[in-house]
Amino acid sequence: EAGVAQSPRYKIIEKRQSVAFWCNPISGHATLYWYQQILGQGPKLLIQFQNNGVVDDSQLPKDRFSAERLKGVDSTLKIQPAKLEDSAVYLCASSLWGQGAEAFFGQGTRLTVV
Amino acid sequence: AQTVTQSQPEMSVQEAETVTLSCTYDTSESDYYLFWYKQPPSRQMILVIRQEAYKQQNATENRFSVNFQKAAKSFSLKISDSQLGDAAMYFCAYSPGRAGGTSYGKLTFGQGTILTVHP
Repeated sequence: EAGVAQSPRYKIIEKRQSVAFWCNPISGHATLYWYQQILGQGPKLLIQFQNNGVVDDSQLPKDRFSAERLKGVDSTLKIQPAKLEDSAVYLCASSLWGQGAEAFFGQGTRLTVV
Repeated sequence: AQTVTQSQPEMSVQEAETVTLSCTYDTSESDYYLFWYKQPPSRQMILVIRQEAYKQQNATENRFSVNFQKAAKSFSLKISDSQLGDAAMYFCAYSPGRAGGTSYGKLTFGQGTILTVHP
């Protein structure tokens, strides 16, 4: 079974530039999550999708971050414009719908903003 | 809001020995799930063990077991017969149950504990 795929693995951009991350979840997983993991900290949820609808985006900085999940499968997370404090690992995860369901994570994208 | 606290930034253990990682959490819910995830240098989070709050029996997965104390809101992970491959960052995480609304599944993570295994 293929896991959660993310690209790119690494990205370096200058502040005020834009960047986009892509995630392909495990086939059949209705729920998709984007987490931000700042170095030395635990991941923090940015947004949760159920199929192609947003369930929770309360911690997404909407003035600069946006995310979409077209057709309830792939998802993209965009940052525009980037700030230095956006440097982090961006993790995508997916799960079956249901309480307590195991979340499967991709390898993440390490973003460095200089 | 739920919070998860891991008070041990770093732990070390000798190969073949036993180590316990601590985790406490705060919630007003009675229905929830607790997890331990392992994150090696490759960055990919891997589920180690899962516990349903309504179950009194502590979860066990081979060399990994938990001590779940619901009243104390404590959820520690015991790793027996430690192996070099166990070296990683370990995260404790909380997920709400059905009472959490449609956002159940959302994980709240602790700060992590770096585990070093010495040969």
